[in-house]
Amino acid sequence: GEKVEQHESTLSVREGDSAVINCTYTDTASSYFPWYKQEAGKSLHFVIDIRSNVDRKQSQRLIVLLDKKAKRFSLHITATQPEDSAIYFCAASKGNNRIFFGDGTQLVVKP
Amino acid sequence: DMKVTQMPRYLIKRMGENVLLECGQDMSHETMYWYRQDPGLGLQLIYISYDVDSNSEGDIPKGYRVSRKKREHFSLILDSAKTNQTSVYFCASSRDWGPYEQYFGPGTRLTVL
Repeated sequence: GEKVEQHESTLSVREGDSAVINCTYTDTASSYFPWYKQEAGKSLHFVIDIRSNVDRKQSQRLIVLLDKKAKRFSLHITATQPEDSAIYFCAASKGNNRIFFGDGTQLVVKP
Repeated sequence: DMKVTQMPRYLIKRMGENVLLECGQDMSHETMYWYRQDPGLGLQLIYISYDVDSNSEGDIPKGYRVSRKKREHFSLILDSAKTNQTSVYFCASSRDWGPYEQYFGPGTRLTVL
């Protein structure tokens, strides 16, 4: 099956800087790539996604880039704020209801 | 109000006891999921349900079973719980004919002694 790898297990940035979390996937048939955020002690919630018909998507301070050739996608958080501190999970899906999660990246935004 | 609920939120059981975790959603979503989350392992899919009485195994179904008799409810059952089933369990739901975003419940922290 699909395997999604998150390259950074932890990432520390200064407030106001940008953060980049990188993921790779193995199945060329994957076409949907969501990102989820988990704050400390809480559940996961969806933040942004990208489908394979585009290579860039932005929602406010979040930008997702997709490189299908390299089977790589990334989440860019601009102008980071303390409330951005959380675990971020990338995921991939072949277009059905089954999605495969990475192991998560702990983002710490230092004041 | 789009919501996924889970009961109980915390549970302590002894090895060999039966465990019932319950999940509900108010969005009429056809697809529901059970995951477990262990430190450093991300989310592992236990079972996926495509609708009432239409359930499929995920990546780690051994030791678990599920029941879905109503679209809005999805139960996870551990018959004779084991200590290695100590984990945080999340239920989620999504629209059908996806993929679409999944809505997660608050989680159940299960400890098996």
